[in-house]
Amino acid sequence: QKEVEQNSGPLSVPEGAIASLNCTYSDRGSQSFFWYRQYSGKSPELIMSIYSNGDKEDGRFTAQLNKASQYVSLLIRDSQPSDSATYLCAVTTSGTYKYIFGTGTRLKVLA
Amino acid sequence: GAVVSQHPSRVICKSGTSVKIECRSLDFQATTMFWYRQFPKQSLMLMATSNEGSKATYEQGVEKDKFLINHASLTLSTLTVTSAHPEDSSFYICSALSGTSGRRGAEDTQYFGPGTRLTVL
Repeated sequence: QKEVEQNSGPLSVPEGAIASLNCTYSDRGSQSFFWYRQYSGKSPELIMSIYSNGDKEDGRFTAQLNKASQYVSLLIRDSQPSDSATYLCAVTTSGTYKYIFGTGTRLKVLA
Repeated sequence: GAVVSQHPSRVICKSGTSVKIECRSLDFQATTMFWYRQFPKQSLMLMATSNEGSKATYEQGVEKDKFLINHASLTLSTLTVTSAHPEDSSFYICSALSGTSGRRGAEDTQYFGPGTRLTVL
C-alpha cells in the first residue's frame, strides 16, 4: 500500500527560528510533491510544489526533495506565530493525479 | 489565480433530508475535481473523483448512492448527501485540478475550496 508518513507533532519552535517538517513516502514512482498548510477549521492552502531533486525556495519557505531517499521536507525560516498550523504533505504517483496525504504535522510557533 | 469556492459554508439539517454542496472553480476550468471529507483531528479522506461529463469515480467504502456527484460543467461540481444521518456530520472539502501547462498530467495541482461544515441533527 502506498503510504506517506509524517510525524504528527506537535513540533514547537520559538519565534524567529527555523521549523523543519519532514515527510517520507513509500512509492518510488511518486512524481509530484506538495506542501499544504491547514489552519484549524479551515481547508488546506497550497504552500509549495516540488518535482525535481534538490531545493526550491519561495520566500521564507524551502522545499527539499530527495527521491533516492524517498524524502521531502519543508523548512520555514524566521517562523512566526501565524505559521502555527497543521502542515500536510501530499504525493502523486505516475499515471494518477490523486493525492496521497500524510496525516499532517502540527506546528506551534511560540511567541 | 486558482480560486475555488464552495457553497454553503455551513449547513445544519435534520436527519433524513438531502443536502447539496456546490464547488466552483472561479478563474480556471477544471475537468477534474475531488471531494474529501475530514473528521476532527484527522487528515483528509478522498471520497471521489469528479470528472466533467462522466460518472464520478468513488473510493472504496464510499456509497455512491448516498453521495451523489454531478460535474455538469468545467467549473461546477456538486455533492449531494442523500438521506443524511448524524454520522454524515463532517467537514466536506472539494478541490479542483489546475494544470500548469494546459495539459493534464502529474504536475497538476489541486486547489481547495474553503469547505462545508455539515451538521445533521
